[in-house]
Amino acid sequence: GENVEQHPSTLSVQEGDSAVIKCTYSDSASNYFPWYKQELGKRPQLIIDIRSNVGEKKDQRIAVTLNKTAKHFSLHITETQPEDSAVYFCAANNFNKFYFGSGTKLNVKP
Amino acid sequence: DTGVSQNPRHKITKRGQNVTFRCDPISEHNRLYWYRQTLGQGPEFLTYFQNEAQLEKSRLLSDRFSAERPKGSFSTLEIQRTEQGDSAMYLCASSQMYGAGELFFGEGSRLTVL
Repeated sequence: GENVEQHPSTLSVQEGDSAVIKCTYSDSASNYFPWYKQELGKRPQLIIDIRSNVGEKKDQRIAVTLNKTAKHFSLHITETQPEDSAVYFCAANNFNKFYFGSGTKLNVKP
Repeated sequence: DTGVSQNPRHKITKRGQNVTFRCDPISEHNRLYWYRQTLGQGPEFLTYFQNEAQLEKSRLLSDRFSAERPKGSFSTLEIQRTEQGDSAMYLCASSQMYGAGELFFGEGSRLTVL
């Protein structure tokens, strides 16, 4: 099956700074790459996604980039705010199954 | 329809007992997934259904685990002869069949095996 690796495992930034989280995947057949945000004790919720025919997608302060050749994709959060503090998971959809990275705990210091 | 619902939310059981979790997906969603999440890890794929058909089961999944979706609506996940290593959050998610649709997660069922 697909193998998704995510880095870093923890990330601490000052409010207003940018945060970048990176993921790699192993199977070139994967074609959809969502990012989920999970606050403590809550369900994962989709924040942005990208399909394999697109290189970049932006939604206000968050953006995702995809490099199919290198099999990696990244989440970029600009102008971070304390409410961005959470665990972020990347995922890859491979033949209708979603494989998740191990998560990045983002701490935004006020 | 307020989303994916799971119950019970918490289950504490003794080693060797059987437990069953239920998931009610979003009504128009054909696909239903079960994931397991342990502390500090991402959700781990267990199995998924398209309507009532179980299309795939993780090779890592013990034979003690079984899942059903008898009428293509709600699903149950049963764990027989529980072990302490089964302690985890069991997440259910659903999506629409066409395309690589967004996964909507339930709140999860937390299992503690003593």
